[in-house]
Amino acid sequence: EIVMTQSPVTLSVSPGERATLSCRASQSVSSYLAWYQQKPGQAPRLLIYGASSRAAGIPARFSGSGSGTEFTLTISSLQSEDSAVYYCQQYNTRATFGGGTKVEIK
Amino acid sequence: QEQLVESGGGVVQPGRSLRLSCAASGFSFSNYGMHWVRQAPGKGLEWVAVISYDGAGKNYADSVKGRFTVSRDNSKNTLYLQMDSLRAEDTALYYCAKGAGNWYFDLWGRGTLVTVSS
Repeated sequence: EIVMTQSPVTLSVSPGERATLSCRASQSVSSYLAWYQQKPGQAPRLLIYGASSRAAGIPARFSGSGSGTEFTLTISSLQSEDSAVYYCQQYNTRATFGGGTKVEIK
Repeated sequence: QEQLVESGGGVVQPGRSLRLSCAASGFSFSNYGMHWVRQAPGKGLEWVAVISYDGAGKNYADSVKGRFTVSRDNSKNTLYLQMDSLRAEDTALYYCAKGAGNWYFDLWGRGTLVTVSS
């Protein structure tokens, strides 16, 4: 099983600042990497697929990068509504998720 | 608009069975692979099972293999998860999710809660 590790566990960022979230795979997953946002009491929402393609309706401040084993989700200018837990997921071999990064507004 | 609505959750004793349903609307259900993903209370996401668009192909997480069975009825736009020999560690919010070609998920339901407890 491919293990996905996310860091940091919690990230506190001021409004308007940049947030950078990391995701590492235990072996290469090529670009088969997705990112999801989950707010309290809600289902996850797809943000990014193919490591860097934004899903429909996702604001341009969300961007993804990376390939192989190292990936990054960047929120270029944090808004209050971006407070949530963010999960990465590999789909190169079945599907496994990272443990999540909680983004808090400072 | 596209929507998935899960049902069938509840409290069940260890060793018993439960069947979950997921009603789809707003898209061509029979064209897509469908998945179940679960989330234990306060924990992260765990993929559970997938079924191909026509029901011919199925795959399961090792943690549920041999105990859970995924199925679908394309005439009713409905996905199912039959859960047998339930264990306390199966306690979770169960989401159904629409597969987006590959094994990522572009539409999720709100989930149905399964609690396994004596």
